[in-house]
Amino acid sequence: GAGVSQSPRYKVAKRGQDVALRCDPISGHVSLFWYQQALGQGPEFLTYFQNEAQLDKSGLPSDRFFAERPEGSVSTLKIQRTQQEDSAVYLCASSLAGGAYTEAFFGQGTRLTVV
Amino acid sequence: DAKTTQPNSMESNEEEPVHLPCNHSTISGTDYIHWYRQLPSQGPEYVIHGLTSNVNNRMASLAIAEDRKSSTLILHRATLRDAAVYYCILRDENTGGFKTIFGAGTRLFVKA
Repeated sequence: GAGVSQSPRYKVAKRGQDVALRCDPISGHVSLFWYQQALGQGPEFLTYFQNEAQLDKSGLPSDRFFAERPEGSVSTLKIQRTQQEDSAVYLCASSLAGGAYTEAFFGQGTRLTVV
Repeated sequence: DAKTTQPNSMESNEEEPVHLPCNHSTISGTDYIHWYRQLPSQGPEYVIHGLTSNVNNRMASLAIAEDRKSSTLILHRATLRDAAVYYCILRDENTGGFKTIFGAGTRLFVKA
């Protein structure tokens, strides 16, 4: 597709369940970002990949959160033993290159609701 | 990463210009100023960015103060489709610009 694709768009998980959120970046994009957006707030940085290398994961809120991008394209954000405070929209973005001057393209996000 | 300050909300009439302000008094010399907007149920969308000079593109203009401690996003003729949350963010070239702090943004209301 032409843009960043995220799946599923909506996910309802029971507390304690593990979930996996997928991001298909724009083909050829080197940089990939994950953000968490709570209702009514701006996106918060979670982690960053340059190709397959995870260069920063300082925004991951706990060790229950894990992200990977094994082949430098598709990325998966995994949340283990979900809790109610994990309910949020998870956004993925990609950009052609690294660098602060580059434009980031965002997906529509996955809305996770933990019940 | 440096932070930005924006008004919580602004209102505009359709087909009038809109000036969205942003303060970034702790900006460093390597920070790029980016603007994104987010429509309901969508991911953020890139609008414009700049470093020191004013910038124009098909969507908007970015006016950057001479001391770079503030900037203004200018929508030349607001339409109903411009109603969104607008985020002013700084991306530091020294750190690759990836750890972006968004803040709460400015919610723009456009009246017909």
